[in-house]
Amino acid sequence: SQQGEEDPQALSIQEGENATMNCSYKTSINNLQWYRQNSGRGLVHLILIRSNEREKHSGRLRVTLDTSKKSSSLLITASRAADTASYFCATDIFSGNTPLVFGKGTRLSVIA
Amino acid sequence: EADIYQTPRYLVIGTGKKITLECSQTMGHDKMYWYQQDPGMELHLIHYSYGVNSTEKGDLSSESTVSRIRTEHFPLTLESARPSHTSQYLCASRQTGTDQPQHFGDGTRLSIL
Repeated sequence: SQQGEEDPQALSIQEGENATMNCSYKTSINNLQWYRQNSGRGLVHLILIRSNEREKHSGRLRVTLDTSKKSSSLLITASRAADTASYFCATDIFSGNTPLVFGKGTRLSVIA
Repeated sequence: EADIYQTPRYLVIGTGKKITLECSQTMGHDKMYWYQQDPGMELHLIHYSYGVNSTEKGDLSSESTVSRIRTEHFPLTLESARPSHTSQYLCASRQTGTDQPQHFGDGTRLSIL
């Protein structure tokens, strides 16, 4: 069963604009992670936010987590054509010995 | 980039053939996973392992099998390939412990004719 659901499914923006992707989930989590997948490649881990954290930054990435709403957002500031990729959220549930549950992904296109 | 390798990268093969997709990691991770993914679409977990001699089926019903005889190696086998198996197969590994990220290989793009 799908735990994370990303919104929007697809997003097209101009270079230099900010891109925001959202992820909703259903059960309590230990942490939430965001991954990027370039065309024809595997997923690459971007950032992890723990359940007791509300916001985290890494370079041009900003992630927020609202456990009361069971949602997270990924903001990419000043986007570049190289940011064109699919972005997935993944939830790590408290049991600790269950696989990460990935959402369906947001396909981001950054137009130069 | 993480040290997880998948071979072959691309495979085109006829129906009915036996196929083994290879996955190896050099990080000593206990946990390993296989996903099926149409390019850019959602991932479907088909098998996972939490250590040597441990294998579990994932959410997606699959006609494949896996083995975990060595920590670093987690091959996926299709006994008789069918056109419905055409997809991309991603292998991943993860260290045991809290707040661990998952590392992915670049996948095998499989086409069954």
